[in-house]
Amino acid sequence: DAKTTQPNSMESNEEEPVHLPCNHSTISGTDYIHWYRQLPSQGPEYVIHGLTSNVNNRMASLAIAEDRKSSTLILHRATLRDAAVYYCILRATSGTYKYIFGTGTRLKVLA
Amino acid sequence: GAVVSQHPSWVICKSGTSVKIECRSLDFQATTMFWYRQFPKQSLMLMATSNEGSKATYEQGVEKDKFLINHASLTLSTLTVTSAHPEDSSFYICSATRGTYEQYFGPGTRLTVT
Repeated sequence: DAKTTQPNSMESNEEEPVHLPCNHSTISGTDYIHWYRQLPSQGPEYVIHGLTSNVNNRMASLAIAEDRKSSTLILHRATLRDAAVYYCILRATSGTYKYIFGTGTRLKVLA
Repeated sequence: GAVVSQHPSWVICKSGTSVKIECRSLDFQATTMFWYRQFPKQSLMLMATSNEGSKATYEQGVEKDKFLINHASLTLSTLTVTSAHPEDSSFYICSATRGTYEQYFGPGTRLTVT
């Protein structure tokens, strides 16, 4: 199973953009890149996913490097409610589609 | 959106007893369900993969006789922690998927074994 590497923690000021990086140098050609976030004592919440092209949705944007060995989750204007642990996960397109969670990045948003 | 529920949300049991946790997909049929456990300040650890009508596939190091998984229908999977001990105290989270799509996670169940 391909693995991901993320910084343990990051800080951001409220109303400012946040760029959360993820390295996945062993990604295979058909792995999707998924991002989830987890608030304390809750299950993970889906944020966004992509394969090769950059993706946007109402929550965030996902920028994927051309070689797909890294990606960046972009929160355009961080709010206090965005404080959470963000996980970058690779999902295979065959087999069990299981997720292997890395350590994630704990985002702290400063008021 | 896809909703997954878990019941109970928290449970306290005595050492040596068994506890059953239910995971339901409320508005879709889940071809596969997954069970995770999470200790405080740690990441989620996959315990097993469950497909409807077949035996669960356990990750290495997870005792299948201790953590019994039953996936009786396309909307329900159960995890039974047998002969629970204090070290089994953890946050148990299930997820469900429709196959090639993303996983949808339940809210989790906090188990405390006294």
